[in-house]
Amino acid sequence: DAKTTQPTSMDCAEGRAANLPCNHSTISGNEYVYWYRQIHSQGPQYIIHGLKNNETNEMASLIITEDRKSSTLILPHATLRDTAVYYCIVRVGSGNTPLVFGKGTRLSVIA
Amino acid sequence: DTAVSQTPKYLVTQMGNDKSIKCEQNLGHDTMYWYKQDSKKFLKIMFSYNNKELIINETVPNRFSPKSPDKAHLNLHINSLELGDSAVYFCASSFAGGASTGELFFGEGSRLTVL
Repeated sequence: DAKTTQPTSMDCAEGRAANLPCNHSTISGNEYVYWYRQIHSQGPQYIIHGLKNNETNEMASLIITEDRKSSTLILPHATLRDTAVYYCIVRVGSGNTPLVFGKGTRLSVIA
Repeated sequence: DTAVSQTPKYLVTQMGNDKSIKCEQNLGHDTMYWYKQDSKKFLKIMFSYNNKELIINETVPNRFSPKSPDKAHLNLHINSLELGDSAVYFCASSFAGGASTGELFFGEGSRLTVL
């Protein structure tokens, strides 16, 4: 079972920041927070991951609370192509543990 | 070059038939996975292989038989297809080594329709 809780859906205006929250109150010390997204009919795509510190890459920023019980994925300037289901997943960082997907958040970017 | 490729992309078949889906990755990864995404869009892990060895089998019926001839390939054979097998099947790969980020790379999916 997924160890995360996310809102079912969210809307965001094009060009604005999209902030997607995730709760993971039972996260273990060796588990990372991963974010993936699935654009309609495509395979899931890796976005970003982090352990304790905030992370940023060319796609997004990840803000993890100090107690690590929740995090927020930020898409700084959402475009229509960012419309997708976003999955927050906790998992050990290496090894061969598979990702366990929850229901994710369906983000709709609106023009 | 496609990192994780699956064939066929679409497969329509009759109940009771046997079919295979093939997956190949050219990323040098040592771990490969099969996921199933049903009509409700839930993505569920089915199998994972590390260095050709089965390490996870998530209570999948034994009509499903994965085979890994080498680290770069993980094929899925399904016997006696049932209506409930209709889904999109995703292959993925990752590197299990200690320095890896644990990122999984997914293929584009194979949509199986059983009539």
